[in-house]
Amino acid sequence: EVQLVESGGNLVQPGRALRLSCAASGFNFDDFAMHWVRQAPGKGLEWVSGISWDSVSIGYADSVKGRFTISRDNAKKSLYLQMNNLRLEDTALYYCAKDTSVAGTSPIDYWGQGTLVTVS
Amino acid sequence: IQLTQSPSSLSASVGDRVTITCRASQAISIYLAWYQQKPGKAPSLLIHGASTLQGGVPSRFSGSGSGTDFTLTISSLQPEDFATYYCQHFHSYPLTFGGGTKVEIK
Repeated sequence: EVQLVESGGNLVQPGRALRLSCAASGFNFDDFAMHWVRQAPGKGLEWVSGISWDSVSIGYADSVKGRFTISRDNAKKSLYLQMNNLRLEDTALYYCAKDTSVAGTSPIDYWGQGTLVTVS
Repeated sequence: IQLTQSPSSLSASVGDRVTITCRASQAISIYLAWYQQKPGKAPSLLIHGASTLQGGVPSRFSGSGSGTDFTLTISSLQPEDFATYYCQHFHSYPLTFGGGTKVEIK
């Protein structure tokens, strides 16, 4: 069974940093690209960042480019999101999500339950 | 690439045929997916490649379109289908989602 478990969400002041983690299990982690997707309270989904299986191909939403860094450790089956210079508008539930391919530009077939980041 | 979904919400009855549209700001071939999200839950994949049903998804769901115009159709709305639906393109980075369509009970 595919499981994605996020951690690291917290209440943080504007301008501070936070690092999210996602522990994956139930599938060959290094065979798939991964993503972070967020959802502000009562709002729609926003894709944040994606990373290919080998970390060569990485993409960011314009709203986070230059502030957030995605990374992965295939040996630890873990995905990370380093978030710097946080803003009020970064407040959201952050989902870790699994791509259906290696590259990162394919649909998402599994999602975690999310970790809440509150910037205030 | 911007995705514009319409309507943003709709009210329908059980058994109704429901159609949701998603328009891309530039051509994306068939690199489009549809997701369903219920309150308090993570989204789930319904359709990928614009028209391919994800395994386990009921056949009352269907998708069509290519280029810039896409539709999600529910042929006969069931009680468990009341949810919010999102389109997403996966043509190239950055990926984006549509604004969502909330399907409510009439």
